[in-house]
Amino acid sequence: QKEVEQNSGPLSVPEGAIASLNCTYSDRVSQSFFWYRQYSGKSPELIMSIYSNGDKEDGRFTAQLNKASQYVSLLIRDSQPSDSATYLCALEATGGSYIPTFGRGTSLIVHP
Amino acid sequence: GAGVSQSPSNKVTEKGKDVELRCDPISGHTALYWYRQRLGQGLEFLIYFQGNSAPDKSGLPSDRFSAERTGESVSTLTIQRTQQEDSAVYLCASRSAFSETQYFGPGTRLLVL
Repeated sequence: QKEVEQNSGPLSVPEGAIASLNCTYSDRVSQSFFWYRQYSGKSPELIMSIYSNGDKEDGRFTAQLNKASQYVSLLIRDSQPSDSATYLCALEATGGSYIPTFGRGTSLIVHP
Repeated sequence: GAGVSQSPSNKVTEKGKDVELRCDPISGHTALYWYRQRLGQGLEFLIYFQGNSAPDKSGLPSDRFSAERTGESVSTLTIQRTQQEDSAVYLCASRSAFSETQYFGPGTRLLVL
């Protein structure tokens, strides 16, 4: 049984700061990792995926994966109030059942 | 084409009644998922359809829950004899065979009184 742990927050950061969101997992088989953003009352939308150890950058977002330590993180640079949302971490075993396991999410508040 | 659509957007029902929720996936997407999200919680996997293969029903919480999908099109999630603890947002997502990206519908908000 995969478990995905996230601090529920809220994580509050000032506008322009770096927001750091973390996720740990218990299953060493997991190979694919995803970060979803969910605005209040809306559906999740994928913002980043990462499969290999190291960093992956996309605009203001950087995903970091460390399989040995079993954690994946999301950094948001130059945080904007529009980034305020819940961020869900999800993982999946590549070549397996294609059924992701989601964490409960971390609430991020970016204040002006 | 258009995104994933779900209907109804909101449903209020009385305890003990049956409800049927509908999902229209993105055209051409072979995979379809149903999730449940209780208030302030993460996504709870319910069932997964992939093409014409037998669905993975491992997440269904009880035999009151069932789902069907015709080919690679519409899916319906049925909850029989609803209970108050069934109150949640039910999300549908679809995915193409060539990507790991799931696209979510807007969800159905179910309230069981």
